[in-house]
Amino acid sequence: DAGVTQSPTHLIKTRGQQVTLRCSPKSGHDTVSWYQQALGQGPQFIFQYYEEEERQRGNFPDRFSGHQFPNYSSELNVNALLLGDSALYLCASSLQLGQAAKNIQYFGAGTRLSVL
Amino acid sequence: GQSLEQPSEVTAVEGAIVQINCTYQTSGFYGLSWYQQHDGGAPTFLSYNALDGLEETGRFSSFLSRSDSYGYLLLQELQMKDSASYFCAVRDSGGYQKVTFGIGTKLQVIP
Repeated sequence: DAGVTQSPTHLIKTRGQQVTLRCSPKSGHDTVSWYQQALGQGPQFIFQYYEEEERQRGNFPDRFSGHQFPNYSSELNVNALLLGDSALYLCASSLQLGQAAKNIQYFGAGTRLSVL
Repeated sequence: GQSLEQPSEVTAVEGAIVQINCTYQTSGFYGLSWYQQHDGGAPTFLSYNALDGLEETGRFSSFLSRSDSYGYLLLQELQMKDSASYFCAVRDSGGYQKVTFGIGTKLQVIP
């Protein structure tokens, strides 16, 4: 059973460019969340997708957008890249269970984005 | 909004016990999770508390006091492989599963 897979593993872009990161969730999972993790910091919630819709969003500008496909895989798009967007981007998958559930999130290894 | 506080670094001796504390301020609360992340690796789930009390999973235990907005992760019989960053995370009060992470505690286990 494959876990959460992300691609690419590393990416180098220049300021102003656009980037697309991809995530395949763990088999059977229907919810995908994206996080940005700067060096030495905790993951920061970007947004979450369920049933192909953005359900919740963190404090990130509209330059950050996403998509979820019918097979539950997801993409994160970042436009007009800034130097400050350099970070590890993590995808986490989970099941949209009841509120009493443990809400275990399974993370991928991430995409390391460097903006020059 | 949500905010979490945890120590930035902890050092402990192999075989010993270490406790990592976490305090949180939230507008709503459904549970406190703990995740482990080795350098260059992905965060992995360790434990979850929704109710007051202690949850034990092998060498790891997690405690929650909702009235004090406080929890801790207890690691026993420390091993060198436990050297990693440990994050507490609060589940958002909304209907979905937004999770807010603390900045992480870097644990160094020394011989």
